[in-house]
Amino acid sequence: AQKITQTQPGMFVQEKEAVTLDCTYDTSDQSYGLFWYKQPSSGEMIFLIYQGSYDEQNATEGRYSLNFQKARKSANLVISASQLGDSAMYFCAMREGNSGGYQKVTFGIGTKLQVIP
Amino acid sequence: KAGVTQTPRYLIKTRGQQVTLSCSPISGHRSVSWYQQTPGQGLQFLFEYFSETQRNKGNFPGRFSGRQFSNSRSEMNVSTLELGDSALYLCASSSGLNYGYTFGSGTRLTVV
Repeated sequence: AQKITQTQPGMFVQEKEAVTLDCTYDTSDQSYGLFWYKQPSSGEMIFLIYQGSYDEQNATEGRYSLNFQKARKSANLVISASQLGDSAMYFCAMREGNSGGYQKVTFGIGTKLQVIP
Repeated sequence: KAGVTQTPRYLIKTRGQQVTLSCSPISGHRSVSWYQQTPGQGLQFLFEYFSETQRNKGNFPGRFSGRQFSNSRSEMNVSTLELGDSALYLCASSSGLNYGYTFGSGTRLTVV
């Protein structure tokens, strides 16, 4: 089974509108972390937001929020008030492991978001 | 503070050659991970180093190897290059488990 599933290969959103990018994950670990990254056409991966499996509240970072539904194993990214500069690939990732040192991060295949003026 | 620095940015190599890529993490970050990104396979985990020790390795052949130095800088080596090794190789560093990885700009390797 895929560890991280992003079912939307591409999304369009009107400027200033909100958009939700879907991500579901699969793990048997009790402790894990979920990340979202943005990759513009320049290629650099930009960290957006982090959600720990034990965090009770949804993570928020400016216009980004993570809709964490643990029972459904979903970690959707919500971008509010979209801007043209938000056009990029977005990757959901999961960190499995423990504080003992083992750590593995798996990325989804990404969703290409295009913001329309 | 300086970000993650990867050198070189671009490389063109011939099949059969070997290549070494370099990554300097953010100062104070002891964890360095390497990823291969291709259009068909997405981001594939190569390996992770922490305090000069390889903690985890992805499903890549033995031609792919790496190491980390005492100053946390890391190198990745690919021997006997194949056309399929053409990809963007990304290095990322982290200060801890609960923090996102900071990625470098990557090295784009083209094998001809």
